[in-house]
Amino acid sequence: NAGVIQTPRHKVTGKGQEATLWCEPISGHSAVFWYRQTIVQGLEFLTYFRNQAPIDDSGMPKERFSAQMPNQSHSTLKIQSTQPQDSAVYLCASSLWGGAYEQYFGPGTRLTVL
Amino acid sequence: GQQVQQSPSSLVLQEGENAELQCNFSSTATQLQWFYQSPGGSLVSLLSNPSGTKHTGRLTSTTVTKERRSSLHISSSQTTDSGTYLCAIDRGSALGRLHFGAGTQLIVIP
Repeated sequence: NAGVIQTPRHKVTGKGQEATLWCEPISGHSAVFWYRQTIVQGLEFLTYFRNQAPIDDSGMPKERFSAQMPNQSHSTLKIQSTQPQDSAVYLCASSLWGGAYEQYFGPGTRLTVL
Repeated sequence: GQQVQQSPSSLVLQEGENAELQCNFSSTATQLQWFYQSPGGSLVSLLSNPSGTKHTGRLTSTTVTKERRSSLHISSSQTTDSGTYLCAIDRGSALGRLHFGAGTQLIVIP
């Protein structure tokens, strides 16, 4: 079991560029979560898929951020026109079903927007 | 407001001492997880304990759901235990998103 895989581990973009972050959940897990971690805000929920369907995107910034889960084996988080305030560690987690099941986190993608 | 409050915010121990970390939450929780994060590292799930007492290795977690509190006891601390310990709950929602506390930074000195 390789655990949750996230790529790239580090990404540096210039202001205004696009960033796409990838997540591969643990095989057999139906729920995928995206979180963001900064020193100031701590850990914040972004969005959640179950069986590839979007369930809760209440934490996603309304503009520039989008997430998809085209198949069971990967999810993407896309940030258009990146801004310095988007700099953070983006964490993906998966669980068997969601709800009260234990969540397992990937290593994260550290995004730096210059 | 703060849904999950952790105390203390930081703790310095001599190697071999025990640590007691606290987590208080302001809403119901059907899921409660304790995580460990090393500096610059990801979150490692230590225990899932929405109620009762659970043990794993040198870790013991006790959650009293009615009183909305949980504790994590680390016995015989080691320098490798140094890092941040985070408590997270789901606030009783079937949606499953976790709400995190600010964490307790533990430093174990030799």
